[in-house]
Order: sequence, then C-alpha cells, then structure tokens
Amino acid sequence: QKEVEQDPGPLSVPEGAIVSLNCTYSNSAFQYFMWYRQYSRKGPELLMYTYSSGNKEDGRFTAQVDKSSKYISLFIRDSQPSDSATYLCAMNRGSTLGRLYFGRGTQLTVWP
Amino acid sequence: DAGVIQSPRHEVTEMGQEVTLRCKPISGHDYLFWYRQTMMRGLELLIYFNNNVPIDDSGMPEDRFSAKMPNASFSTLKIQPSEPRDSAVYFCASTQHATNEKLFFGSGTQLSVL
Repeated sequence: QKEVEQDPGPLSVPEGAIVSLNCTYSNSAFQYFMWYRQYSRKGPELLMYTYSSGNKEDGRFTAQVDKSSKYISLFIRDSQPSDSATYLCAMNRGSTLGRLYFGRGTQLTVWP
Repeated sequence: DAGVIQSPRHEVTEMGQEVTLRCKPISGHDYLFWYRQTMMRGLELLIYFNNNVPIDDSGMPEDRFSAKMPNASFSTLKIQPSEPRDSAVYFCASTQHATNEKLFFGSGTQLSVL
C-alpha cells in the first residue's frame, strides 16, 4: 500500500462547479501537506501548502487537513476551464527536506 | 529566471542502450531532486542532492541507474542498460532549504525504451 492514496479520476465538471479533491495517508508523522497542480506536458507547480491540521484559503482554493482522520482535501470554488489539470497531493515529515510523498494525482477537466 | 531546465524533452531509445538525462537547477538552489512519473506509480523520488552531495538514493530502482552532480549548476541521471520498463517521464526539481515545501520542477524528459 502506498503511503499516500489519491483517486486518479478522471473528474469532469461544468464551469462554475465546486470541486472537491481528496487524499488519504497512512503515516501519522506527516506534518506538511501540499497540493501541486500539473498541466499537460509540464512539471508540477506548488498550489497550496498547510502545516498540521486546519484550513487555508487562497482565492478560489481552500485546503483542509484532518490529521485525526489522515485525510486532506482541496476545494475549488467557481471552477474555470483554466483549472483543468492534474492535481497531486504531497506531504512530508518536515524534518527531512525534499522527501515528499506524492499521491498519483487526480485529473480534472472543467468544461465551459 | 529560466527555471529548472531539462534536456532532452523527449528520448526514444532501444533496449540495452545507455540513456543520459540532464538538468540545470535554478541558480542559488542548493537541493536537487530526480523524480520519475508513471501512470501506475505516480511521482517517485529517485535521488536527491544537497550542495552537490547525494543525500538519499534509496529510490533508485537498480544499479542500472546512477546520478551525478559535478557542480551546483548541472546534474545527470544515467540509465545503463535501459529497459522498456524504464519508460516514464523523468523530472528534475530544485529548491532552497528555507522553502522546503516548494519544489520547482522542470518540464521533464519523456523517455521511451523500445
């Protein structure tokens, strides 16, 4: 079993919909939680990160972490066609730089 | 800044051949990572360097894989001999210690081994 599980989708929604993306993990030592966005034929780019449990909001994006359930979410409000991409969750223990554990990614398509 | 630069963008080779992938990290970044991405396994860390020194190579799948970083601005990942199961997208990423959650990825090398 991978340490980070993520449903690969694909997920297809109409423009303006609220999108919910999720990951579960097994290692309770994870402290930093990230969401990366990857456009086709490009490398991933950091979208949001949170430390420990709680919520973080940035414009149309909200990241949530529930450490008790080992579950993280990314919500996209008022989704746009430009949000069409693969979204990867990632996490690490914080004490070891760079050792990020990624989910497989969820492919999202927002149609006009 | 040009970002992380990888070459080649695409590589097609035959089984048994040597493959060399190249990476130029962002200037000033002291950590460099090599990842491999496949549909089945997602992104997997192969190896990472700090100040040109390999720190963790536990993700390197076999002795056929080797990586070097001769200086702060250049790294290579070599596969010799290559096998069809090595077909994947290989990413290089770099970062500074102070921003450990933010890796800057290159555009990747799409490797196909026939």
